[in-house]
Formats: sequence, structure tokens, C-alpha cells
Amino acid sequence: QKEVEQDPGPLSVPEGAIVSLNCTYSNSAFQYFMWYRQYSRKGPELLMYTYSSGNKEDGRFTAQVDKSSKYISLFIRDSQPSDSATYLCAMTHTNAGKSTFGDGTTLTVKP
Amino acid sequence: ETGVTQSPTHLIKTRGQQVTLRCSSQSGHNTVSWYQQALGQGPQFIFQYYREEENGRGNFPPRFSGLQFPNYSSELNVNALELDDSALYLCASSPDPLGEKLFFGSGTQLSVL
Repeated sequence: QKEVEQDPGPLSVPEGAIVSLNCTYSNSAFQYFMWYRQYSRKGPELLMYTYSSGNKEDGRFTAQVDKSSKYISLFIRDSQPSDSATYLCAMTHTNAGKSTFGDGTTLTVKP
Repeated sequence: ETGVTQSPTHLIKTRGQQVTLRCSSQSGHNTVSWYQQALGQGPQFIFQYYREEENGRGNFPPRFSGLQFPNYSSELNVNALELDDSALYLCASSPDPLGEKLFFGSGTQLSVL
């Protein structure tokens, strides 16, 4: 079983919809939780970074971390066609020296 | 501010050959990591360098090796290429030794025939 599991999708929504992307993990040592966006044939781009539990908001994006359930989410409000990409969750801890990624969810926002 | 740049963008090699991939870190970043991303999967950690010293390695065989130079640029070397080495190789730099915030280049697409 993988340390980080991500809903594989693909996910297709109409423009303006609220999108929910989710990951679960098994390593309770994870403290730092990240979401990356990856466009086709490009490197991942850091979207959101959260330390420990709680919510963090940045514009149309909200990241939630529930360490008790080992569950993280990314919400996208008022989704736009330009949000069409693969979204990767990632996590790490102080002694890890690396980030562990999910396999990504491919999102398509239709005009 | 210059981002992370990787070269070459694409590469075709045959099984058994050796390859060197190069990366220039973002200005001010002294940590560099390399990841392998197979099609349809998330990036897999290969290793990380901090101030020219390797400070973390993933489950990759010794034929995957690397270097970080004093200017914080980096190389990934892969010997005795195998078909399964075909993937997107991503370099990422970070402003701190933990490397939880990764700034990726666009990657090198390696095809092994």
C-alpha cells in the first residue's frame, strides 16, 4: 500500500463549479502538506503549503488538513478552464529529506 | 528571479548507455532534489543535495548518482540504462534544507529504447 493515496479521477466539471480534491495518508509523522498543479509536459508548481492541521485560503483555493483522520483536501471555488491540470498532493516531515507525492488527479473544467 | 532550468528537454538513449541530466537551481536556493515521474504517476524521490552533500536518497539503485556544484547547479547521472528508466526527470530547488517547498523545472523527458 502506498503511503499517500489520491483519488485518481479524472474529474470533469463545468466552469464555475466548486472542485474538491482529496488525499489520504498512512504516515502519522507527516507534518507539512502541499498541493502542486502540473500542466501537461511541465514541472509541478507549488499551489498551497500547510503546516500541521487546519485550513489555509489563498484566493479561490482552500487547503484543509485533518491529521486525526490522515486526510487532506484542496477546494477550488469558481473553477476556470485554466484550472484544467493534474493536481498532486505531497507531504513530508522534519527528518524525511524528501516529499512523498500522490499519483495525481486530472481535472478538466469545461467552458 | 531566474527559475529552475533543466537540460536537455528531451533525450533518447538505448539500453545500456549512460546519461547525464543537468539542472540550474533558482537563485538563492541551496537545496536541490531529483525526482522521477513515470507516466500517470506522481514524482518519486531519487535524492537530495544540500550544500554539495547528499542528505537523502530514495529507493533507487546505485547506478543513479548525482552531484551538486558550488554554484548550486546539479547533475543526475544514470548508468547502464534500462527500459524502465524511461520517464520525466524533474529537478527541484528549495530555499531551505528540509525542502518541503519545491520549485520544479520543466523536466527532461528520457526515452530508453
